[in-house]
This record gives sequence, C-alpha cells and structure tokens, in this order.
Amino acid sequence: AQSVTQPDIHITVSEGASLELRCNYSYGATPYLFWYVQSPGQGLQLLLKYFSGDTLVQGIKGFEAEFKRSQSSFNLRKPSVHWSDAAEYFCAVGPPSGGNKLTFGTGTQLKVEL
Amino acid sequence: DVKVTQSSRYLVKRTGEKVFLECVQDMDHENMFWYRQDPGLGLRLIYFSYDVKMKEKGDIPEGYSVSREKKERFSLILESASTNQTSMYLCASRTYNEQFFGPGTRLTVL
Repeated sequence: AQSVTQPDIHITVSEGASLELRCNYSYGATPYLFWYVQSPGQGLQLLLKYFSGDTLVQGIKGFEAEFKRSQSSFNLRKPSVHWSDAAEYFCAVGPPSGGNKLTFGTGTQLKVEL
Repeated sequence: DVKVTQSSRYLVKRTGEKVFLECVQDMDHENMFWYRQDPGLGLRLIYFSYDVKMKEKGDIPEGYSVSREKKERFSLILESASTNQTSMYLCASRTYNEQFFGPGTRLTVL
C-alpha cells in the first residue's frame, strides 16, 4: 500500500532563512507527487506537482521541489521564507495513471519567526 | 478560477443527530471527494464520486454516507453523529490531475 512520510511535525525558521520540508513516499511505481499548503482556517492550495520530466519543479509563491527516485523523496524548498509562509504543508502521492486516490502525509506545521 | 464551496464553516451538532455537509463546485468536474482532517493524521479519504449517483468508499467510510444527485453537488451525511466524528471536513473536486479544495467545515459533535 502506498504511504507518505513527513518526518517533521513542526519546523521553525527565521524570516529570510532558507527552508526545506521533507517528504518520503512508498509506492510501487513512480507516482504523481504534490505539495499543498493550508493557511489557518483555509482549505488546501496546490503549491506544485510532479508527473514526469525535469525532476526539479517550480511552484507558486517561490517554492520548488526536487524528485529523487533513488531516495523516494520529494522535498519542498524555498530560498528565503516570508512571514506569510507560516502554514501547514502537506505532501501527497497519487497513482501514475492520474486516478482518483491521493494519499496525504500527516503534514508539517511551519512557524516563521520575525 | 475553480471554486469549491462548502455550506458551513462551523457546525455544532448533538450526538445522534443527522448531519448534512454540502459541497458545490462550479467547474463541471466529474470527480468529487470528501476528506476528514485530524491533527497528526493528515487528510483521510471518506468517499469519492466519479459521476452523478456514482460513489466509491475511501479509507474511512464507516459512519458516513454520501449523495450526488447533481454533478455540481456532493453531500456528506452523518446518519447519527457521534463525538468521534468531531473533525474538519474538506471537500474537493478534481480535474485531470489536480484536486481543488473547499475551505472546510469544522464540525463539533457534543
């Protein structure tokens, strides 16, 4: 069965510092990979997605993620964090056929210190 | 822009009540979903629907049912609410390879 692990429950960074959120997955084949962000009291917004091709994908709000097949990882990065990036971040995997079932990680809560 | 709306942001119900959570999307998507979000557990799929009147169980369907009478509307039903169903409920609709989420309904069952 597929699974997604986000090993960091909480992360605190200073504004302007770089950020990396970890995501590891277990899947039979290369899945579709997603990062979502959830601001307090809001639904989830898609930051970026990977299906195939270039393993470094760019998303909205200055985020990027790198797919590493050998490590079964899809880590999210941002070179300089802004206070407005404080939110919860979810990694998700879906079947390579583009089917319906997404499996989400348990989330990483990001706190930004001014 | 895709818009997914949910009928209530906050809802308080009593144990044993029948509860309806409504979700509407405006993009003519065939696929719609109901998730439950709990701290430390992430999002878990309750049910999804791939067409009108068609539904499929997700990972945690027990205690829930769904209804999809029109393409744009997908309802989640708690036949007899229990305190362990206190949670955040998120609806989503899907285009080819992206799910769009509503703002969520925070349900408290007393």
